[in-house]
Amino acid sequence: GAGVSQSPSNKVTEKGKDVELRCDPISGHTALYWYRQRLGQGLEFLIYFQGNSAPDKSGLPSDRFSAERTGESVSTLTIQRTQQEDSAVYLCASSLGGGAQGNTQYFGPGTRLTVL
Amino acid sequence: GENVEQHPSTLSVQEGDSAVIKCTYSDSASNYFPWYKQELGKRPQLIIDIRSNVGEKKDQRIAVTLNKTAKHFSLHITETQPEDSAVYFCAASRETGRRALTFGSGTRLQVQP
Repeated sequence: GAGVSQSPSNKVTEKGKDVELRCDPISGHTALYWYRQRLGQGLEFLIYFQGNSAPDKSGLPSDRFSAERTGESVSTLTIQRTQQEDSAVYLCASSLGGGAQGNTQYFGPGTRLTVL
Repeated sequence: GENVEQHPSTLSVQEGDSAVIKCTYSDSASNYFPWYKQELGKRPQLIIDIRSNVGEKKDQRIAVTLNKTAKHFSLHITETQPEDSAVYFCAASRETGRRALTFGSGTRLQVQP
C-alpha cells in the first residue's frame, strides 16, 4: 500500500517568510510524528499526534513552530518568520498507535527546507 | 527526558567482516528500541526493532541485543556487504504514553569491498 508522503519535497524561502509543510500518513495510522534532521545530524522530535488526544508539543523549538492534524489524516507543520537555523529536512512518520506493532514508525521522504 | 548515546560515530569494515554499533539510554521506562538505516538523501528505513520483553532478536544477517539492567542495546551486522554502507540510527521510546522516538546521533558505516 501507499507509504507516508510529504510535500513539497524541497522548499526554498527567504528569511522572515512563513512556510507550510504537509504530511499524508499511512491510511489507518492513528499516530503521526514530526521530526527535524539538520545536515549530518540525528533526528530531533518536534510534535506527536495520537488520535483525538491533545498533541505532545514538547519538542517544538519555539513558538514560531506549530502543527495541526485533521482527524487521523493529513498534518501540516507551519514555521512562521523562518530563520536560517530552521534549514533542515523535516520528516514525518506515522504508526498504528496501538497493539503489538503500534509503535513501529514509518517515515516519509521528508521536506528539505532551505532558508536564505 | 530520554537521552540516547550512540557509538561509534563512524565505522569502517572490510566486506565480510562484522560490524557492531552500541547505544545507551537513560529512561528506565523506555521499552521499545528500533534501528533505522538511512542512505544518503533517503528516508530512514526500519531494519529491526526489539521490545523489552526479549534480550535478542535476529533477522538474517542483522541482530539486536538488549540489556535492560545496563540500559544498553547493540546492533550486529554479520558478513557485511557494500550495500550495508549507510548511516545507522538507534532510538528509544515507551510503548504507552509518550511514544515519540529519541534518536542517537548516528553511525556512518562504510563497508570496503
